[in-house]
Amino acid sequence: KAGVTQTPRYLIKTRGQQVTLSCSPISGHRSVSWYQQTPGQGLQFLFEYFSETQRNKGNFPGRFSGRQFSNSRSEMNVSTLELGDSALYLCASNPPGRMNTEAFFGQGTRLTVV
Amino acid sequence: TQLLEQSPQFLSIQEGENLTVYCNSSSVFSSLQWYRQEPGEGPVLLVTVVTGGEVKKLKRLTFQFGDARKDSSLHITAAQPGDTGLYLCAGLTMDSSYKLIFGSGTRLLVRP
Repeated sequence: KAGVTQTPRYLIKTRGQQVTLSCSPISGHRSVSWYQQTPGQGLQFLFEYFSETQRNKGNFPGRFSGRQFSNSRSEMNVSTLELGDSALYLCASNPPGRMNTEAFFGQGTRLTVV
Repeated sequence: TQLLEQSPQFLSIQEGENLTVYCNSSSVFSSLQWYRQEPGEGPVLLVTVVTGGEVKKLKRLTFQFGDARKDSSLHITAAQPGDTGLYLCAGLTMDSSYKLIFGSGTRLLVRP
């Protein structure tokens, strides 16, 4: 069973630019969540998509957006990048049946904003 | 805002010692998950506890979920260097989405 695939693994961008990150969940999983991990704030929830609909959103500015396609693949976009957006961005593939199930995380995309 | 307070943040112990990591919140969670994360990788699930008062054992690791489903602990017996890593607790929120609230993490170093 293939795992969660995130691309690219590493990215360097300049302030003011925008970036798109991609996540392919495990086959059959319709829910995808995104998290930002930084040394100072730890892992913080960005948003969750289920069957192409955003079901929940964390406390991040509108520069952070996402979407999900009919094949469950998801993308997140960050516009007008700031230095503080440098982080590891993790995607989680969530199986059906919330309670007893685990989130399967990808290896993440390490974004550096210079 | 739901928060999970995890302590301690750092722990450096000798091989063979025991340790306990705590996660506390004022909020109730559907379930509490414990993850371990290696450098450059995503978190990997260790265990999920669902029922208040539940205790689960995984070899030398014992996980407990508080009666009120607001707190949890991870106890490691006779720690080994292979236990070194970042341990994260995460609470699954009560709404219908899949949203995890993570603790700040405990960085464990087990010295040989």
